[in-house]
Amino acid sequence: GAVVSQHPSWVICKSGTSVKIECRSLDFQATTMFWYRQFPKQSLMLMATSNEGSKATYEQGVEKDKFLINHASLTLSTLTVTSAHPEDSSFYICSAPGQGYVETQYFGPGTRLLVL
Amino acid sequence: DAKTTQPPSMDCAEGRAANLPCNHSTISGNEYVYWYRQIHSQGPQYIIHGLKNNETNEMASLIITEDRKSSTLILPHATLRDTAVYYCIVKGGSEKLVFGKGTKLTVNP
Repeated sequence: GAVVSQHPSWVICKSGTSVKIECRSLDFQATTMFWYRQFPKQSLMLMATSNEGSKATYEQGVEKDKFLINHASLTLSTLTVTSAHPEDSSFYICSAPGQGYVETQYFGPGTRLLVL
Repeated sequence: DAKTTQPPSMDCAEGRAANLPCNHSTISGNEYVYWYRQIHSQGPQYIIHGLKNNETNEMASLIITEDRKSSTLILPHATLRDTAVYYCIVKGGSEKLVFGKGTKLTVNP
């Protein structure tokens, strides 16, 4: 089946620094990828849709200048958390859709971010 | 907002069938029912989906009522590794996946 990877799997950073998270589709191409955030004991919240070759579209309430998304190729999307603060500590998960009208989503393993 | 309602938690004995219900009374004609699960600290995993007919794959069976207002995911022989949060999601083909709170299934030895 389709595989989505994320790197790094976990990261610890100091407050005020920026952190880049990569999402790759390993054996298929994805013109669209999705970024989710999940706080402890809560459900996944969709942050943004990453579009290859164009700007990302952000969900209401998500700061686009803080969460920079770049979909550089058909297999890679990156999420950069700029000027990270402790409240940005979370589990970040990406996904990419399969093919066909009835799309299933393939999820990455997630990246756990801890901002000190 | 999620279009589905699920019980917050369920328990099941190992080796027995786990039946997870989902209500989606406002489902429209072109919307599918999807089930995903999330094992602790991992990304979600696709399980199964259906439109109106019952579906079965190697992981589970999906039973959709005739009026499509509810469905049941069946894990025929639950194992400890099936302990996870199970999400029932209704969406049309081009829509985004919106996760509700899901059902936390605990399989007990």
